[in-house]
Amino acid sequence: GAVVSQHPSRVICKSGTSVKIECRSLDFQATTMFWYRQFPKKSLMLMATSNEGSKATYEQGVEKDKFLINHASLTLSTLTVTSAHPEDSSFYICSASPTDRQETQYFGPGTRLLVL
Amino acid sequence: AQSVTQLDSHVSVSEGTPVLLRCNYSSSYSPSLFWYVQHPNKGLQLLLKYTSAATLVKGINGFEAEFKKSETSFHLTKPSAHMSDAAEYFCVVREEGYSTLTFGKGTMLLVSP
Repeated sequence: GAVVSQHPSRVICKSGTSVKIECRSLDFQATTMFWYRQFPKKSLMLMATSNEGSKATYEQGVEKDKFLINHASLTLSTLTVTSAHPEDSSFYICSASPTDRQETQYFGPGTRLLVL
Repeated sequence: AQSVTQLDSHVSVSEGTPVLLRCNYSSSYSPSLFWYVQHPNKGLQLLLKYTSAATLVKGINGFEAEFKKSETSFHLTKPSAHMSDAAEYFCVVREEGYSTLTFGKGTMLLVSP
């Protein structure tokens, strides 16, 4: 149990286009989902925390107009990288906290984004 | 504010020898501590966690970690390394009452035959 999926697993796009990444909790409901970014050979950096039905909370230095987060249901959160540029290329990882065990986070497998 | 320091960016061991991955933390309140493993092109997997119960925590795949408050450490150990243990390991801290996780920079474990 407690599986989190991400789609797509990898995506290549042209500079200036927008890319949407989905994060789904497959067998539990998640009131809270988190989005992280991992640079090569670096640690995970929390980008934002999203709560179902409300606006996401962004970490300092993360542009909310650049990285749009929607958490419209208890099993789905989306991250849209708008007007992507090569510096947005990275590994994006989501995690989800079960509604009844909010101290626990289950991680998705990640999405590798390459912007040309 | 909470922070995590993983003292080694790389650790190399031979198969069958002990593993020690070091982690020190800083936290204002009673922390929860975790170790995650990330294999190449795979998602993060929870190895073990400490949440104020027993200070010696046993995890999956033979790993264990000991919470030492006096030393603010949470080192990860395994008696005998296996080739399949080669991966990146992250020490993570969460302060009591908060959901935010703070990750260390990771330690790459290399296992040679």
